[in-house]
Amino acid sequence: EPEVTQTPSHQVTQMGQEVILRCVPISNHLYFYWYRQILGQKVEFLVSFYNNEISEKSEIFDDQFSVERPDGSNFTLKIRSTKLEDSAMYFCASSDVRTSYEQYFGPGTRLTVT
Amino acid sequence: RKEVEQDPGPFNVPEGATVAFNCTYSNSASQSFFWYRQDCRKEPKLLMSVYSSGNEDGRFTAQLNRASQYISLLIRDSKLSDSATYLCAVNSLGAAGNKLTFGGGTRVLVKP
Repeated sequence: EPEVTQTPSHQVTQMGQEVILRCVPISNHLYFYWYRQILGQKVEFLVSFYNNEISEKSEIFDDQFSVERPDGSNFTLKIRSTKLEDSAMYFCASSDVRTSYEQYFGPGTRLTVT
Repeated sequence: RKEVEQDPGPFNVPEGATVAFNCTYSNSASQSFFWYRQDCRKEPKLLMSVYSSGNEDGRFTAQLNRASQYISLLIRDSKLSDSATYLCAVNSLGAAGNKLTFGGGTRVLVKP
């Protein structure tokens, strides 16, 4: 069964450093997303991406965040200058219009900013 | 009013019993509804989409009530493995993208 994969599973970084979180969406999906979940809180939408551009972003997704699809398989989230409050689980998801936009999530990257 | 609200629980359920819980949403323009299951520190796993006519998948039944703006999930013959947090998610489709808005989750604990 196809699945979304994410690397690394855990990333520890110092405040102010840049991190890149990587995702490989399901191969025939066209819509890609990033969500985050701070420990004990809700899953929150960050950004959606379609046809090589951002289609929607939340208030959380400010100038320190960026997304890219550098090749035909990877989808990345970059955080330019990490803050303590960026510590969270970051989930990538993908969906296909043919399945009513059901979104399938990857296992997540746990980001710890110290 | 929060966009998507759920009773956080926990719902303590004897094995073999039935449990049901709801999720309310505030945006009447919401078009798609989903139930996800989330185990501790894991990703949300899609359990089922919720259709207007209601739908069933094995022991799980989902209903949508547009008039009152809520969806429900019923689990019959609960198994120990059903212990998890159940997240409802609402999608307001549009040209901009298909963001999901999640509720805070309902925790279910199935006990022997």
